[in-house]
Amino acid sequence: DAGVTQSPTHLIKTRGQQVTLRCSPKSGHDTVSWYQQALGQGPQFIFQYYEEEERQRGNFPDRFSGHQFPNYSSELNVNALLLGDSALYLCASSLWVSEQYFGPGTRLTVT
Amino acid sequence: AQSVSQHNHHVILSEAASLELGCNYSYGGTVNLFWYVQYPGQHLQLLLKYFSGDPLVKGIKGFEAEFIKSKFSFNLRKPSVQWSDTAEYFCAVNAGAGKSTFGDGTTLTVKP
Repeated sequence: DAGVTQSPTHLIKTRGQQVTLRCSPKSGHDTVSWYQQALGQGPQFIFQYYEEEERQRGNFPDRFSGHQFPNYSSELNVNALLLGDSALYLCASSLWVSEQYFGPGTRLTVT
Repeated sequence: AQSVSQHNHHVILSEAASLELGCNYSYGGTVNLFWYVQYPGQHLQLLLKYFSGDPLVKGIKGFEAEFIKSKFSFNLRKPSVQWSDTAEYFCAVNAGAGKSTFGDGTTLTVKP
């Protein structure tokens, strides 16, 4: 049983560019949440998708957007990248509001 | 708004020592509580969870945590740590709607 998978593993982008990160949830899960983890901090909630709609959103600007597909996989898009967007981006899947299972993350570096 | 505070940023113990990591949260309503662990080079894994019922919950690898509602606390304990417990530990609270708020983590180093 595959767990949560994320791609790519690492990514380097330049300020002002746009990036798309991808997540496939654990088998049987229908909800995907995205978190940003800066160095030395705990994960910060970005948003959550359920039934292809954004259900909850954390304190992140509109530059952060997402999508969920009919197969429950999800994308996180970040536009107009800033240096401060450099972080580990984590995807977590769950069966609605049950406990979340985390993927390995995508390390984004903005130069 | 929910917040989680982990008071110990870095804990260093010798093998066989007892462990207690503090976690306090602020939220006035019903919460679900979690401890996650991140071993070096690995992703976040669920150690244990509290949704309701017995406030003393047992998780994997001999860990347990006690929910004390009056103190808004959910401290993690292990009677005897092993070198393999070296990792970062995160406490998280969820008010039942999917969004989890995490503390900043405690790094545990166990000396052999």
